[in-house]
Amino acid sequence: NAGVMQNPRHLVRRRGQEARLRCSPMKGHSHVYWYRQLPEEGLKFMVYLQKENIIDESGMPKERFSAEFPKEGPSILRIQQVVRGDSAAYFCASSPVENQETQYFGPGTRLLVL
Amino acid sequence: DQQVKQNSPSLSVQEGRISILNCDYTNSMFDYFLWYKKYPAEGPTFLISISSIKDKNEDGRFTVFLNKSAKHLSLHIVPSQPGDSAVYFCAASANDYKLSFGAGTTVTVRA
Repeated sequence: NAGVMQNPRHLVRRRGQEARLRCSPMKGHSHVYWYRQLPEEGLKFMVYLQKENIIDESGMPKERFSAEFPKEGPSILRIQQVVRGDSAAYFCASSPVENQETQYFGPGTRLLVL
Repeated sequence: DQQVKQNSPSLSVQEGRISILNCDYTNSMFDYFLWYKKYPAEGPTFLISISSIKDKNEDGRFTVFLNKSAKHLSLHIVPSQPGDSAVYFCAASANDYKLSFGAGTTVTVRA
């Protein structure tokens, strides 16, 4: 499978727990983006990362949310002390260096906070 | 601040006919536009894009039209097929990586 991979596909957490969402970009892509989709809305940009660098996190909530893209392994979106409002679909996308605007999306992780 | 708007939440079309999806934007800095298709429980799939230097781009059954003066773009699918039933998102960027998405239009193709 050469596409963007995300896991888990579904994640259930209780309020106050931590959620970790993982994303492996397409082969050959070094740019990763995270988006969040709330019910009945479009996707909203959260963060843009390259290997070992956060380039733009202007769409991330200031607290409880963090992201990383280590030299080895997948990108991780981490949500600490989850609240019900964090329930959403979280999509990861990747792009090649030469065309950052055409992004290819993974299947998403659907987070449900009880 | 919704910079990309898809004012029709749903569209029903008969198989074989044309589907026309519309999208309006407010940010005059947007210069690259994309359409994505999304099935339930899957991620958006890139369909077609257009740069602001063009007013039309065609790929098989899909054609995107851009009217910069009206800040409007549309996606034409012809002929529509049952497999086209999905949610379609319009997205735009201002010469960078940050895509702004519309809320989507659900297309149902009737047999």
